Amino acid sequence: GAVVSQHPSRVICKSGTSVKIECRSLDFQATTMFWYRQFPKKSLMLMATSNEGSKATYEQGVEKDKFLINHASLTLSTLTVTSAHPEDSSFYICSARDDLKGTQYFGPGTRLLVL
Amino acid sequence: AQTVTQSQPEMSVQEAETVTLSCTYDTSENNYYLFWYKQPPSRQMILVIRQEAYKQQNATENRFSVNFQKAAKSFSLKISDSQLGDTAMYFCAFMYSGGGADGLTFGKGTHLIIQP
Repeated sequence: GAVVSQHPSRVICKSGTSVKIECRSLDFQATTMFWYRQFPKKSLMLMATSNEGSKATYEQGVEKDKFLINHASLTLSTLTVTSAHPEDSSFYICSARDDLKGTQYFGPGTRLLVL
Repeated sequence: AQTVTQSQPEMSVQEAETVTLSCTYDTSENNYYLFWYKQPPSRQMILVIRQEAYKQQNATENRFSVNFQKAAKSFSLKISDSQLGDTAMYFCAFMYSGGGADGLTFGKGTHLIIQP
């Protein structure tokens, strides 16, 4: 089946630093990828849509300068949390939409803890 | 904007029983997809079943089936012969299918516990 990887799986950083999270589709091409955020015992909230070769589309209330998204190839999207603060601590999940099948496949998630 | 409502925060049944998880949604769109995802303690999101809104026939995947009532905007998931491995969070999700690629709108989830 389709596999989506995320790296790192877990990261701890100091307040004020930036953290980059990678999302890769391993066996299919994905022009479109999505970034979600999940708080403990809560649902997934769509943050932004990442489009290969163009600017990301952010959901209302999500700061684009805070969460930088780069989709440089058909298999890789990155999310950079800039100047991280403790309130940015969360579980970040990406999904990749298979260009041929249209189905979204999820990565295993990245747990971010900002101290 | 669409909304997805799951009114059962938690459910618990005995192994081998049948359980139904409810989901309602609100949208003004006519073309869309509905999904049920499972999230076990590992937190990996796993697609359980998918339904295209234009199809009247309810989707089935082995022990999992849905009752899709488009007019009522209802999309319930039935799990037959429940197994211990079915214990997880279950999320109902909506996706608009008209042009472009849209992200998923999720409900708040139902924590399903299968008791031995």
